[in-house]
Amino acid sequence: SQTIHQWPATLVQPVGSPLSLECTVEGTSNPNLYWYRQAAGRGLQLLFYSVGIGQISSEVPQNLSASRPQDRQFILSSKKLLLSDSGFYLCAWSVPLGQGGRNTIYFGEGSWLTVV
Amino acid sequence: KNQVEQSPQSLIILEGKNCTLQCNYTVSPFSNLRWYKQDTGRGPVSLTIMTFSENTKSNGRYTATLDADTKQSSLHITASQLSDSASYICVVSAGRYGGATNKLIFGTGTLLAVQP
Repeated sequence: SQTIHQWPATLVQPVGSPLSLECTVEGTSNPNLYWYRQAAGRGLQLLFYSVGIGQISSEVPQNLSASRPQDRQFILSSKKLLLSDSGFYLCAWSVPLGQGGRNTIYFGEGSWLTVV
Repeated sequence: KNQVEQSPQSLIILEGKNCTLQCNYTVSPFSNLRWYKQDTGRGPVSLTIMTFSENTKSNGRYTATLDADTKQSSLHITASQLSDSASYICVVSAGRYGGATNKLIFGTGTLLAVQP
C-alpha cells in the first residue's frame, strides 16, 4: 500500500532562519508530488508541483523553493523565513492518469510552521 | 474568476442527526469535484470524487451530489457520529482531466461539530 510521510510535524523558527520540510512517498513510482499551504481560516493554496525528478513548477511567487532529488522525495525550503510564511504545510501525491491514476490526491499529515 | 464557495461556514448538530453541506462553484473548464474531510491539524482525506457525468456518489454514510447545470454540489451525512466532527472541504478541478497541471480550486470549508 502507498504511504506518505511528512516531517517535522511542528516547528517554530525565527524570522530569517532557513527552512526544510521533507516529504517521502512509499509504495508507488513516479508520482505527481505537491506542496500546499493552508493559512488560518483560508483554503489550501498550491505552492509547487512536480511530475518527475528535478521537474518543479511554481504556482505563486514566494519566499519558498522546492526540490525533488529523488523520485519519491519532495523538499520544501527557504533560505530566510518571513513572518508571513507561518501556516500549515501539506505535502500530497497522486498517481498520474497514464499509470492508472484516478486523479485522487492523497495528503500527508501536515507540518505546522510558526515563524516568530 | 474561478471560485468555490461553501455554506454554511460552520454547523453544530446532535449525534445521530443528518446534515447537508453545500458547495457552489464557478470553475471553467470543469474537470471534477471532490469532497475532503480534514480533522483539526491533520491532512485532508478524500471522501468522493465526481466527474461531469456523475450525479451522485456515496462513501459509507457520506453521499455527494453534483448538478453540473447549476454548478452546485452537496455532501449529505447520515446518522452523524462524534467522529464526523471536522472541516469538510469542497475542491473543484479545472482543466484537462488527469493532468498534473489541473488547477485545484479549494473552498474554505465547512466546520462541522457533532455534539452528544
